[in-house]
Amino acid sequence: DGGITQSPKYLFRKEGQNVTLSCEQNLNHDAMYWYRQDPGQGLRLIYYSQIVNDFQKGDIAEGYSVSREKKESFPLTVTSAQKNPTAFYLCASSRGTGYGYTFGSGTRLTVV
Amino acid sequence: SQQGEEDPQALSIQEGENATMNCSYKTSINNLQWYRQNSGRGLVHLILIRSNEREKHSGRLRVTLDTSKKSSSLLITASRAADTASYFCATGAGGTSYGKLTFGQGTILTVHP
Repeated sequence: DGGITQSPKYLFRKEGQNVTLSCEQNLNHDAMYWYRQDPGQGLRLIYYSQIVNDFQKGDIAEGYSVSREKKESFPLTVTSAQKNPTAFYLCASSRGTGYGYTFGSGTRLTVV
Repeated sequence: SQQGEEDPQALSIQEGENATMNCSYKTSINNLQWYRQNSGRGLVHLILIRSNEREKHSGRLRVTLDTSKKSSSLLITASRAADTASYFCATGAGGTSYGKLTFGQGTILTVHP
């Protein structure tokens, strides 16, 4: 079955540590996105990518980095520069403008 | 920036009743979408309505779009306890937006058996 897989489901980060969240899709979608969701809030866009080797900053890109070396994969690194990283991170993919998103099941990141 | 604003923030109804959620936005759009999120899970796409459409149906869902008022509504008819979830509207611009969506804050719907 086609879908989008995020891992891990739960992740704990120590102060000063970089962590990478995985996002893989087998839907053959060109576009992929990373959103952050804080408790009781909507989603805020971190980064997005339309094609391999190209990505754009979203509204809250500071302290995050991404890569798009393969069409299927769009990993997100939360760097030590992100001062408040505790949140629920959601990855999505779509065919592009005018199409709906398919979301992964999310990664819950907690700073310890 | 948050484009969509949803109203109400929370809605509590009895099973069998209809639920209506509203979404307002500020700038011109190419399309508007509604998503559902069960607690702690990813979002699920429900329905997409394009800027040149006024109404769309999918099963028990009816979405309307009024571009002159920059608003949309989602109606769930004959609600069920399983409809309990958060519902988000999301707006998409055209052009070189790469399909990125701007999400509202969401409406928490509780359907009591």
